[in-house]
Amino acid sequence: EAQVTQNPRYLITVTGKKLTVTCSQNMNHEYMSWYRQDPGLGLRQIYYSMNVEVTDKGDVPEGYKVSRKEKRNFPLILESPSPNQTSLYFCASNSIGDREIFGPGTRLTVT
Amino acid sequence: GESVGLHLPTLSVQEGDNSIINCAYSNSASDYFIWYKQESGKGPQFIIDIRSNMDKRQGQRVTVLLNKTVKHLSLQIAATQPGDSAVYFCAENMQGGKLIFGQGTELSVKP
Repeated sequence: EAQVTQNPRYLITVTGKKLTVTCSQNMNHEYMSWYRQDPGLGLRQIYYSMNVEVTDKGDVPEGYKVSRKEKRNFPLILESPSPNQTSLYFCASNSIGDREIFGPGTRLTVT
Repeated sequence: GESVGLHLPTLSVQEGDNSIINCAYSNSASDYFIWYKQESGKGPQFIIDIRSNMDKRQGQRVTVLLNKTVKHLSLQIAATQPGDSAVYFCAENMQGGKLIFGQGTELSVKP
């Protein structure tokens, strides 16, 4: 089944403890993105990648890092999480010019 | 800056009626538009898309209309059902694959 998977789906952590949210797609898509979704603010893009080793900042990149060492994986790294990064995170992938397929989401709480 | 927005944040309809959700966009160079449905606790799910060389596209119970003159996009849902209750997002696909989302409209279907 063609899909985007994210892990973990739920995470509660403390301020400053580094964490990684993994994202993987099995559709051979070139393009992958991370979004955060907050009430009243909709979906905002954090980072995106147009292909392996090619990443760029989205609209809200502060406090996040990404890497794209393989085409299928696009992990999101929070080196020192803070409470304002409590949010619902979505990974997505697509072929250039085609619709994005979204993962199921990761709900992160930083205390 | 460029933006994609929705006219109405909430829409309540009676079961069986038709629903119309509107969206405005500002980037005249965008050539691809997508509607997503997001149910509570889930990731956005593709509904229908349209490219700028078309004015109308129909799916199963859904129709998307594109008016490039006034930069307006709409999603029509025929015979709205309780299962259609969700938040609906329009998205504008800019060159290079970056998606810009509207804020979303919450559709509530009354039985």
